[in-house]
Amino acid sequence: DQQVKQNSPSLSVQEGRISILNCDYTNSMFDYFLWYKKYPAEGPTFLISISSIKDKNEDGRFTVFLNKSAKHLSLHIVPSQPGDSAVYFCAASAPGTSYGKLTFGQGTILTVHP
Amino acid sequence: EPEVTQTPSHQVTQMGQEVILRCVPISNHLYFYWYRQILGQKVEFLVSFYNNEISEKSEIFDDQFSVERPDGSNFTLKIRSTKLEDSAMYFCASSSGTSGLEEQFFGPGTRLTVL
Repeated sequence: DQQVKQNSPSLSVQEGRISILNCDYTNSMFDYFLWYKKYPAEGPTFLISISSIKDKNEDGRFTVFLNKSAKHLSLHIVPSQPGDSAVYFCAASAPGTSYGKLTFGQGTILTVHP
Repeated sequence: EPEVTQTPSHQVTQMGQEVILRCVPISNHLYFYWYRQILGQKVEFLVSFYNNEISEKSEIFDDQFSVERPDGSNFTLKIRSTKLEDSAMYFCASSSGTSGLEEQFFGPGTRLTVL
């Protein structure tokens, strides 16, 4: 099941610079997208979401961009901080057809170096 | 801040044994979920639960699995006869579910090891 793909297994960034994490999806029924952060031995923590009627949503240092025509979304973190080092998961759902079920990508390990 | 809790944090069992994983969702949430993550793989949806019944389940959620909300606070996942391939992290999640566009809040997970 490759409906949500994060093609970069890892990303390394210097503190203070921008981190850009990417996600692609194939299912055109998806209309709600979320980013989760996960530390070892913890559950995923919700970061930010976007519905398909928008192309951008911003919350502090985190911005998610959605390009529906390309079926692509990205998470921008600026400025990056060492505490942002974690695994980042992109997830998608289709509330109209599959209530609440989240389909996750494989995750991208972000490392922010001081 | 309200959070989802799960017990136990780690469960070791013998193949063929029954296990019950427990979750306490956030108190005013209406939708409950179980996901699992096999080591090195994606987080996978197992089942969603609303109004005391299953609203959707995945192919993984076969007859060996069941869920229950035995009281007003707990939400449980039972595996009747565990297999080696059931070894995974199991995450419970809940959402307020008023519009279908709400984030799900996850618990810390239960690591299930089947020997």
